[in-house]
Amino acid sequence: SAVISQKPSRDICQRGTSLTIQCQVDSQVTMMFWYRQQPGQSLTLIATANQGSEATYESGFVIDKFPISRPNLTFSTLTVSNMSPEDSSIYLCSAQENTQYFGPGTRLTVL
Amino acid sequence: LAKTTQPISMDSYEGQEVNITCSHNNIATNDYITWYQQFPSQGPRFIIQGYKTKVTNEVASLFIPADRKSSTLSLPRVSLSDTAVYYCLVGGGAAGNKLTFGGGTRVLVKP
Repeated sequence: SAVISQKPSRDICQRGTSLTIQCQVDSQVTMMFWYRQQPGQSLTLIATANQGSEATYESGFVIDKFPISRPNLTFSTLTVSNMSPEDSSIYLCSAQENTQYFGPGTRLTVL
Repeated sequence: LAKTTQPISMDSYEGQEVNITCSHNNIATNDYITWYQQFPSQGPRFIIQGYKTKVTNEVASLFIPADRKSSTLSLPRVSLSDTAVYYCLVGGGAAGNKLTFGGGTRVLVKP
């Protein structure tokens, strides 16, 4: 199974700033995804990170707010831009091999 | 995307078998059924995946009837450390590799 790491594991940020979350997979994978999980809630898919092309966003999520990069088959970043307290959440990346494996998540608190 | 319905919560006791049933009436022909386990402050952990009939691994069994409109995750002889949220997902068919998380089942194992 793929081993996925995320940086940072947690952060506390001021409103109006941006944070970039890194996701590293220990093997090349075809597909990577970004999810958000608000406190006590289930996971919501933000976007599919496409290697070599623009990410595919789900309804309610836009590139200006959540720009995503996928420079190669093992790495992706998610930026949370112009943050507000409503962006406080856990952000998780996942990677698809035969099944989907998840990173440990990044806990973001926006003050 | 196929929607799943599962109980919100279940209580059990150490050493008992826990069975969680998930309904997925509009599962597509190519969809697989996958179960994840999530502990607080961690990413979801893959448990088991199946397409039809029965699948068993070292931690769980998955029972899928012929019509595939439901599935049952069976956890044998649970321990306190099995207290977690369990998610049933269907995907891999028309939706490609995108996974839609439902509300999950919160399992509490008591001593």
